[in-house]
Amino acid sequence: QVQLQESGPGLVKPSQTLSLTCTVSGGSISSGDYYWSWIRQPPGKGLEWIGYIYYSGSTYYNPSLKSRVTISVDTSKNQFSLKLSSVTAADTAVYYCARVRRVVTMVRGAFIKHDAFDIWGQGTMVTVSS
Amino acid sequence: DIQMTQSPSSLSASVGDRVTITCQASQDISNYLNWYQQKPGKAPKLLIYDASNLETGVPSRFSGSGSGTDFTFTISSLQPEDIATYYCQQYDNLPVTFGQGTRLEIK
Repeated sequence: QVQLQESGPGLVKPSQTLSLTCTVSGGSISSGDYYWSWIRQPPGKGLEWIGYIYYSGSTYYNPSLKSRVTISVDTSKNQFSLKLSSVTAADTAVYYCARVRRVVTMVRGAFIKHDAFDIWGQGTMVTVSS
Repeated sequence: DIQMTQSPSSLSASVGDRVTITCQASQDISNYLNWYQQKPGKAPKLLIYDASNLETGVPSRFSGSGSGTDFTFTISSLQPEDIATYYCQQYDNLPVTFGQGTRLEIK
């Protein structure tokens, strides 16, 4: 079955760039049925969507982070990555990668998309501190 | 952004109880709502998609209902392994947003 695994430094200095990679195993990242996403969770708090990417490279970012975020995909390695620049202590969080299952239906002539984060990585804690 | 408000924020119930969590969206999101379970130290797990559809492999004691702005998540008979935090999530409009979570404890 498909599994996702995050990797990257657990400690990043303020003002530097946070870089994480998610490796997909048991399936191809190039499957057209899925998007690939990053979500984060500060300690003791709720979930915040960061953005997602399609295998073709199309990206969608949370406007609250858009100026600092880059998500990229490497289909040859079956990986996708997150870069978050100019980090501060507020970026300290568990970072999850997740698969977005997309099902498209047609209702009264219109295409309707149905999305769900159906598979998640275990998460990786990133602390921003000097 | 669409705001998702869950209630209650925390809940204590006994094994075998029927448990209900509500989620209200700040605008009409049709049925574009999912529910997740997160156990301590673990990643969230998809339980319900499109407001009322049970994800494959999820026990039938979990259910969801609602459309528009008001949604309900129900556990028909609480089990000890259901202790977790539950989140609703809308995908009608980007950015995707989550509720603040409901922490469920055993009484």
